[in-house]
Amino acid sequence: AQKVTQAQTEISVVEKEDVTLDCVYETRDTTYYLFWYKQPPSGELVFLIRRNSFDEQNEISGRYSWNFQKSTSSFNFTITASQVVDSAVYFCALITYNQGGKLIFGQGTELSVKP
Amino acid sequence: DVKVTQSSRYLVKRTGEKVFLECVQDMDHENMFWYRQDPGLGLRLIYFSYDVKMKEKGDIPEGYSVSREKKERFSLILESASTNQTSMYLCASSPDRAIDTQYFGPGTRLTVL
Repeated sequence: AQKVTQAQTEISVVEKEDVTLDCVYETRDTTYYLFWYKQPPSGELVFLIRRNSFDEQNEISGRYSWNFQKSTSSFNFTITASQVVDSAVYFCALITYNQGGKLIFGQGTELSVKP
Repeated sequence: DVKVTQSSRYLVKRTGEKVFLECVQDMDHENMFWYRQDPGLGLRLIYFSYDVKMKEKGDIPEGYSVSREKKERFSLILESASTNQTSMYLCASSPDRAIDTQYFGPGTRLTVL
């Protein structure tokens, strides 16, 4: 079975703190893709990153970085020097060919960054 | 930039009404999806389409139907709205392959009274 678990339901930090959002996935497929999406209060899901199962290189984009580790089936997301505008719900998601293109979402982590 | 638009941000309907939610994408994407999002239940796939006039049931199709007459437009239809269909509805599109990135619209918050 395919599954994505985001164990942290809510996280609250003070501005400029670093914060890591955890994502653990389950799949028996060898080819799969992992995603992170951001959902600000406005409601739109904003695509942040996509990673395929064959590429374990970490990625950095500005204050955002992602750590993909197949050995622990994790795809964690770190925000460095958090800002109030980072406040949102963040979703990790998984997709495989065998799922026919169905995105499997975690339950989401609500991040609150206080000034 | 990928642009997915939805016809309304907020919608209020009465029980028994027929409701149309429209979604349009401007990137010539092959695939389109409808999800609903509810607190505690996360995002659930209602219907999706890989081609014009084609549709596939997702995880919770009951009470819904869809229409895709043109490539850029994917409509979700509630034949007879009920209060348990009060929810946030999100449309998405993706380029071609089943595993391509899905891009989402702004969402429609539907309230059925």
